[in-house]
Amino acid sequence: DIVMTQSPDSLAVSLGERATINCKSSQNIFYSSNNKNFLAWYQQRSGQPPKLLIYWASTRQSGVPDRFSGSGSETDFTLTITSLQAEDVAVYYCQQYYSTPRTFGQGTKVEVK
Amino acid sequence: QVQLVESGGGVVQPGGSLRLSCAASGFTFSSYGMEWVRQAPGKGLEWVAYIRYDGSNKYYEDSVKGRFTISRDNSKNTLYLQMNSLRAEDTAVYYCAKDIDDSWSGPKPMDGWGKGARVTVSS
Repeated sequence: DIVMTQSPDSLAVSLGERATINCKSSQNIFYSSNNKNFLAWYQQRSGQPPKLLIYWASTRQSGVPDRFSGSGSETDFTLTITSLQAEDVAVYYCQQYYSTPRTFGQGTKVEVK
Repeated sequence: QVQLVESGGGVVQPGGSLRLSCAASGFTFSSYGMEWVRQAPGKGLEWVAYIRYDGSNKYYEDSVKGRFTISRDNSKNTLYLQMNSLRAEDTAVYYCAKDIDDSWSGPKPMDGWGKGARVTVSS
């Protein structure tokens, strides 16, 4: 199984400041046949289901604010929130869908400092 | 507007069974792969199972293989998860989710989620 490891487990950021979350996969999740990384980022606010933010490592889902961006390739990925807003307080998960089981990272809790 | 509504959750004794249903609307259900993801109390997300749009391929997380069965009825726009031989560690909120609309024919992430069904396995 591919193990997804996020860092940090939690972070506190001032409103308007940048938040950066890292995700490392135990195997390369880049597929040369479609030239894409099989990596997604989800946001889960308290008491709510997850919401897709980013897929193919860097494609923003429709309706997601452009302060959210994804980067990285092969085994190392990053989710960046360029200017944290109050509504961004949530737990963020990365997930690989390269192979089954489609494993998630353990989550990163983002709070306002 | 995509809508996914889970039902069938509840309290069950260890070794018991439950069947979760997920009623889908707002999209062409028969065209999308569907998945189940669970979340134990206070814990992170855990992928459980996937079924191809036509039901021809199914995949499971190792701990549920042989105990859980994912299925779908495209004529009823409904996804199912039959859970047998339930264990305490299966206690979780179970979400059904749909795959995104993407030209890629292989694995995809999930862009629509239900609110979840709570399953508690306890004596």
